[in-house]
Amino acid sequence: EDQVTQSPEALRLQEGESSSLNCSYTVSGLRGLFWYRQDPGKGPEFLFTLYSAGEEKEKERLKATLTKKESFLHITAPKPEDSATYLCAVQAHNNNDMRFGAGTRLTVKP
Amino acid sequence: SAVISQKPSRDICQRGTSLTIQCQVDSQVTMMFWYRQQPGQSLTLIATANQGSEATYESGFVIDKFPISRPNLTFSTLTVSNMSPEDSSIYLCSVDRPGPNSYEQFFGPGTRLTVL
Repeated sequence: EDQVTQSPEALRLQEGESSSLNCSYTVSGLRGLFWYRQDPGKGPEFLFTLYSAGEEKEKERLKATLTKKESFLHITAPKPEDSATYLCAVQAHNNNDMRFGAGTRLTVKP
Repeated sequence: SAVISQKPSRDICQRGTSLTIQCQVDSQVTMMFWYRQQPGQSLTLIATANQGSEATYESGFVIDKFPISRPNLTFSTLTVSNMSPEDSSIYLCSVDRPGPNSYEQFFGPGTRLTVL
């Protein structure tokens, strides 16, 4: 069965303190690994899709990387507005639905 | 990206009643998905809705409890039937936008349901 585990559950950073969020996964034939940002009371906002090991994508202060077993979301010099829950999800080739992790709740203090 | 709207944005309902949630997309899409996000939890897929066919339900979800309509390629509804407090959740619809070299799924803003 496909599984996604995110760590840590919660992360508190000072503004400017870089860090990484982890997403470990097991899936029978990865079609794509997805990162979303979710603010309280809102739907998930799409950030990245990664398709193969070694792939990297960047957007502003965020950079996502992928290996055969895990993905990292690196946050460089975060700002308070980066505070949100970050969700990771995987999709298998033989399935259209996505399996989500429990998320990492990030708080960035000024 | 896709522009997705949901109605209502939130509702408070009495036990035993039903609520229908609408999802409207700004362009035609083949597949629409309905998810549930219980308080403090991540997203769980309820069902996949294709236009012109019966929805496909995930384990633990049944059509009698969560009937879905998909009358055209831009619209879908999810009904939460005979509600109980355990149905209090955020309900989200999403759509896929496959491309030649990419596959992305976008979510609506969600419907926050509280059952008393």
